[in-house]
Amino acid sequence: DSGVTQTPKHLITATGQRVTLRCSPRSGDLSVYWYQQSLDQGLQFLIQYYNGEERAKGNILERFSAQQFPDLHSELNLSSLELGDSALYFCASSLTLAGGKETQYFGPGTRLLVL
Amino acid sequence: DQQVKQNSPSLSVQEGRISILNCDYTNSMFDYFLWYKKYPAEGPTFLISISSIKDKNEDGRFTVFLNKSAKHLSLHIVPSQPGDSAVYFCAASARRGGGATNKLIFGTGTLLAVQP
Repeated sequence: DSGVTQTPKHLITATGQRVTLRCSPRSGDLSVYWYQQSLDQGLQFLIQYYNGEERAKGNILERFSAQQFPDLHSELNLSSLELGDSALYFCASSLTLAGGKETQYFGPGTRLLVL
Repeated sequence: DQQVKQNSPSLSVQEGRISILNCDYTNSMFDYFLWYKKYPAEGPTFLISISSIKDKNEDGRFTVFLNKSAKHLSLHIVPSQPGDSAVYFCAASARRGGGATNKLIFGTGTLLAVQP
């Protein structure tokens, strides 16, 4: 158990819909990262939040957005869903000290299926 | 542009023997490397990491070697056990100014099968 929790574990929805994925980081971790793993691709970095602020963006679509709340949990919002958005979405957290090289610990993921 | 490459999609070894998983990278700014193990329908589990100031790091049965001049790292598992069967991902990060982002760039993974 990494200490990172994600809900829901599975999500089935239809094209055009909007969903929200939730992540609670490990106790004490300030950074939250979101990654997407599609069937034909490896883990792709989407976005990072650090202590409530956006820190880095990767290949995140404009239809996707995220935020980190004062209690440090994070939500990833996916809207106008398309079939190709079906994937595993992972959240990871780390402490993130300035200049540090840190390990990220991953949650169990949310499996999204868009029909 | 694949900055982190794992050219072997799969590897099969006998129980008790050594497993060697390889990873190549292209970005010379990468200064921290990690290996993760992943079972189906689970999140990646951290195994071992290495900073670019080192060339070797060991943790029990797992050793990671880094060759910066060749931009190559490898994970050695000795002895291999059937429970090691999983997908192994290599990941890298580049410290940015201020150090407040450590986004990971992942390879595509190598499926290790350890035969009893």
